[in-house]
Amino acid sequence: ETGVTQTPRHLVMGMTNKKSLKCEQHLGHNAMYWYKQSAKKPLELMFVYSLEERVENNSVPSRFSPECPNSSHLFLHLHTLQPEDSALYLCASSQDLGLAEFSTDTQYFGPGTRLTVL
Amino acid sequence: AQTVTQSQPEMSVQEAETVTLSCTYDTSESDYYLFWYKQPPSRQMILVIRQEAYKQQNATENRFSVNFQKAAKSFSLKISDSQLGDAAMYFCAYRYNFNKFYFGSGTKLNVKP
Repeated sequence: ETGVTQTPRHLVMGMTNKKSLKCEQHLGHNAMYWYKQSAKKPLELMFVYSLEERVENNSVPSRFSPECPNSSHLFLHLHTLQPEDSALYLCASSQDLGLAEFSTDTQYFGPGTRLTVL
Repeated sequence: AQTVTQSQPEMSVQEAETVTLSCTYDTSESDYYLFWYKQPPSRQMILVIRQEAYKQQNATENRFSVNFQKAAKSFSLKISDSQLGDAAMYFCAYRYNFNKFYFGSGTKLNVKP
């Protein structure tokens, strides 16, 4: 719908598994983001990438490892997760980071990956 | 610290009526952006409306408008002529910098036919 797709839509994994979440944007944007949406908690910004460079790691545990091979793709590699990591993981993109005056910083979100850690 | 508070976890409105969702935020900055996002059930989050803090005029988008009170740090969303498709979670968000993006906990809006 908004040009940002995420796969898989649902993922169940054990604490010892290694899995990856994928995000792809078809909007020609330069900035991409990972968010965590837990039940009854505000959306939390995890990582920010601009032109494939990570510009923000918002105190996220190392068991979450992002990767941005190009401006259209963003991955979140998961390993040795905990049950409390179960959440909806949202990817978003924007034209840029919105640092310049009159720049476009509106973020477009993907549908999310519903992650359950057993 | 910047925080965003949505004091109404859930609200209901009759179809065709008007409803106002509340949002307050805490900041020491003077220039920032405020947003309302809509997240329908099992669907993608989409931007509803955006307000630049340096603009005094309240933003409007068709049936959606905001009441931005900078001194009071209040940013409410008014939905006029409510439609069934407006039913969703609504999130208020504050942005100061690219890495200072904070969301409220959301308000679930029910629209009754």
